[in-house]
Amino acid sequence: DAGVIQSPRHEVTEMGQEVTLRCKPISGHNSLFWYRQTMMRGLELLIYFNNNVPIDDSGMPEDRFSAKMPNASFSTLKIQPSEPRDSAVYFCASSLVGNEAFFGQGTRLTVV
Amino acid sequence: QKEVEQDPGPLSVPEGAIVSLNCTYSNSAFQYFMWYRQYSRKGPELLMYTYSSGNKEDGRFTAQVDKSSKYISLFIRDSQPSDSATYLCAPTTGNQFYFGTGTSLTVIP
Repeated sequence: DAGVIQSPRHEVTEMGQEVTLRCKPISGHNSLFWYRQTMMRGLELLIYFNNNVPIDDSGMPEDRFSAKMPNASFSTLKIQPSEPRDSAVYFCASSLVGNEAFFGQGTRLTVV
Repeated sequence: QKEVEQDPGPLSVPEGAIVSLNCTYSNSAFQYFMWYRQYSRKGPELLMYTYSSGNKEDGRFTAQVDKSSKYISLFIRDSQPSDSATYLCAPTTGNQFYFGTGTSLTVIP
């Protein structure tokens, strides 16, 4: 398996634009997590899915953020409209419940 | 109060030193205690994990958990420049991972 695959690796966008981040989890994993990492706040859990169902989205900062998992092999995190304070590295991770989480390489988002 | 507290450092040590990294947590429901290592511009990778209280050794690394005091430690013996990275503690209930902010470590040759 190629591991967790995220795209794009880097994204630079203007304030107000819509941003969509994509994630392909490891095949067979039943949990998927979206994290945001900044120097100030570290690694923050935004949302996690179990068997494609959102279980906890309390970390989603506001209504501008939304996440979907239409099937077991794909998830998206969307920000609309984007703001400069959304600039961060966004990680997707997947796991089998009770086991370690495997992380993707991350998407470095810059909103100017 | 945050679920997990970790000193962000940065920590700088000479090669060969013993390094001690620590976290405290507040949730008694945590069952597994993981340590992740993150190199610059990479995603975190699992270094080692323990279940419940006690010690676990893996080469130069020892993970220690004291559930009575809600204290997690990672010790690195004979530290190497290749150990330079950010180390994140991650206690988990089995469903969700709660990450510390990470401690940045630099091992100087």
